[in-house]
Amino acid sequence: EADIYQTPRYLVIGTGKKITLECSQTMGHDKMYWYQQDPGMELHLIHYSYGVNSTEKGDLSSESTVSRIRTEHFPLTLESARPSHTSQYLCASSGVGGPRSFYEQYFGPGTRLTVT
Amino acid sequence: GENVEQHPSTLSVQEGDSAVIKCTYSDSASNYFPWYKQELGKRPQLIIDIRSNVGEKKDQRIAVTLNKTAKHFSLHITETQPEDSAVYFCAASRAGISGNTPLVFGKGTRLSVIA
Repeated sequence: EADIYQTPRYLVIGTGKKITLECSQTMGHDKMYWYQQDPGMELHLIHYSYGVNSTEKGDLSSESTVSRIRTEHFPLTLESARPSHTSQYLCASSGVGGPRSFYEQYFGPGTRLTVT
Repeated sequence: GENVEQHPSTLSVQEGDSAVIKCTYSDSASNYFPWYKQELGKRPQLIIDIRSNVGEKKDQRIAVTLNKTAKHFSLHITETQPEDSAVYFCAASRAGISGNTPLVFGKGTRLSVIA
């Protein structure tokens, strides 16, 4: 079934650690996004990609980096986690190739990150 | 860049009443306006969207209206039910052949439907 997957779903980690949040989609979409969201609050765009080897920073880069080596995979890396990074991280995808409308942006289930 | 304002931030209605959430946008080139519903602990899900070549779109109890001249669009929920309780987000973007920009979201409206 076409979907978007995020791992891990929950992560508790100490300050200063390097972490990578995984996002994969089987929607066939060309565009992918990362958002940071405190529960029920505003969605902040961190990074986005419109295709392989293409990445852009959003409004809130939050000292993170992304890569897009394969169409279906868009990992987010925090080089040095801080308590201020505690939040939920949502991956999303949209665009050409998917089973849904060209315009619809479909969200993954999220990773809840806690930095102690 | 695009800026989307959403009002109100919280809204309480009695079951069976209607709910209206309003958004304004700043970029006159924006042509795609989706609405997302996010239930507690879940991912945002698209409930309805409208493109700039249409003034109104309906799907059962949900409707969206768009006024391009005034640059605002609204979500209307009729005959509200307790399961409509959630946070609703509006968004705007340029989408299509002429170019694409990421969705810019409003800050959300927390809707509570009181039984």
